[in-house]
Amino acid sequence: EAAVTQSPRSKVAVTGGKVTLSCHQTNNHDYMYWYRQDTGHGLRLIHYSYVADSTEKGDIPDGYKASRPSQENFSLILELASLSQTAVYFCASSEPLGGNTGQLYFGEGSKLTVL
Amino acid sequence: GDSVTQTEGQVALSEEDFLTIHCNYSASGYPTLFWYVQYPGEGPQLLFRASRDKEKGSSRGFEATYDKGTTSFHLRKASVQESDSAVYYCALRPSSFSKLVFGQGTSLSVVP
Repeated sequence: EAAVTQSPRSKVAVTGGKVTLSCHQTNNHDYMYWYRQDTGHGLRLIHYSYVADSTEKGDIPDGYKASRPSQENFSLILELASLSQTAVYFCASSEPLGGNTGQLYFGEGSKLTVL
Repeated sequence: GDSVTQTEGQVALSEEDFLTIHCNYSASGYPTLFWYVQYPGEGPQLLFRASRDKEKGSSRGFEATYDKGTTSFHLRKASVQESDSAVYYCALRPSSFSKLVFGQGTSLSVVP
């Protein structure tokens, strides 16, 4: 069974603090993604990566950094957390999107509250 | 650019009601279309996909037909159950195989 695990599952951070969300996948997938979920906006892509040691900007990258130290691990970093970054964050993995399925496998989400 | 529009933000139904969630897309060529479902406390998971005009995707009693003429992929189920309460996302994979594009999501609540 494919698996994407996120940690922490829930976090409360202070404004201006640093937050790191971690993601680990055992799918042997090259592609990994970080999405943000907000009511009314659906899922929006923050950063993604298709190979270790390389990351790409998604649709809403401002205020976020990403790190892909290995095929299995992908982190999302908020250097200076702000109130507007309160949201649920999802990590996902996939085969190359040109493959047969184009399917994303999601983790269970990380709820971030910035106070 | 490529986009997906779901017109219903929230839908409230009673058990055994008929469900329709509308999904319209804008993309060139023949994108692959998806429906994802997200149950409470979980991440989204694939419900089904379709990649050709007039192709019907289906799973768990849900179905949708790819219609290139009306650029639509509406989700339907004949008789919903309380266990169908979830958020449903329509999405597309462009012909260029670049990143997936998601709609805004529709929250479905089914009461007994």
